[in-house]
Parts: sequence; structure tokens; C-alpha cells
Amino acid sequence: EAGVVQSPRYKIIEKKQPVAFWCNPISGHNTLYWYRQNLGQGPELLIRYENEEAVDDSQLPKDRFSAERLKGVDSTLKIQPAELGDSAVYLCASSRDNYGYTFGSGTRLTVV
Amino acid sequence: GQSLEQPSEVTAVEGAIVQINCTYQTSGFYGLSWYQQHDGGAPTFLSYNALDGLEETGRFSSFLSRSDSYGYLLLQELQMKDSASYFCAAHQGYSTLTFGKGTMLLVSP
Repeated sequence: EAGVVQSPRYKIIEKKQPVAFWCNPISGHNTLYWYRQNLGQGPELLIRYENEEAVDDSQLPKDRFSAERLKGVDSTLKIQPAELGDSAVYLCASSRDNYGYTFGSGTRLTVV
Repeated sequence: GQSLEQPSEVTAVEGAIVQINCTYQTSGFYGLSWYQQHDGGAPTFLSYNALDGLEETGRFSSFLSRSDSYGYLLLQELQMKDSASYFCAAHQGYSTLTFGKGTMLLVSP
């Protein structure tokens, strides 16, 4: 089966510009997660979806971050406007059974 | 809050055995998972312990003691390709996963 697909792989933007990341989870995986990973740190949860419903977005900085998962499949994560501190790797993951996550390769964001 | 503690770095030689420890303090603890991440790559699921005891998967084993809030990952017959970061991650409730900061394993010839 195809893995979790994310795009773009890399993104460099100037601060205050908007940016969007896209994720296509594994077919049949109802749960989708967005994580952020800073250099030398573990991934930190931003938002979790069960089908199209965001069931845990407590760690999502809602003043500048937004996410959607239309039709319970693909998802996009948006930052507007981006700040220097947003530079990180943004990882998407999906799971069927909630204990074995499959991560995508991530989008490495650099804000300059 | 929740926190997981693991060593920042461990070194070993090829063919050796290494143990990476993890202690946790989380509410609603459901189980402990381990992930491997090579530099620039995606985290890859290794193992999951919901109950106390040892789970073995090939060269890798994982152990959990709920009473001690402690677990470890055991890697045997180390190979150069095992050089990577290893994360313990606590399951809170049914689905939320909180990761530790990771342990960088360096395997030398």
C-alpha cells in the first residue's frame, strides 16, 4: 500500500507570508494527525482528526494556524502569517487502530 | 501535564546490545510506543506495549513496567544502519500520542 504522502517536501518563505501543507493519508485510515518537529526534539501534536472532525486541536495556535480535512481523506495545514519561529518539519501521520502511526516524510519549512 | 525522559545520546559498537530507557509522567496513560527516525526521514513505528512485560520483534524488544512508569527499548546485534534517533511515546487516553525528545544512537564499527 502507498504510504502517507506529503507535499511539498521543502518550503522556504519570507516571514509574514502564508504557507500551506498537504497530506494524503493511507487509504482506510480514519485518524489523521499533524505534528510539528523542531530540530533535536520529538514531534509535537498540533491537531488530530477522526474522519473529518477535529477531535483534538488544543495545541494548534489558532491565531495563525488552521487545518481542514474535507471528506475525511486529504488534509491541509495552513499558516498565515508565518513567523520565524514556525521553521520546523511538519509531519502528517495516519492510523487505523490508534497505536501504530504511519508518518509521511514531512515538509521542512524555513521562514526567513 | 505530561513528560517523558530518555537519554539524549547513546553510543555502541556493531554487534553489541544497547538499552534505551524511558521514564514517563502522563495522565490517562494507555501504553508506550517506540519509533525510529533516521536523519531527515520520517518516524517509523517499532513497537507498542500496553501491558507490563517484554515484547519481542526480531532484533528489537520493548519492555514496560506500569508500576514504575518505566520502559525500555533493547536493540540486539547492532548494525550500522541502526544509527538513528529513537523516541519513546506515551499514549494518553485512546489516541493522543506524546513523544519524548529522542535518543540519538550512534553505532560505530
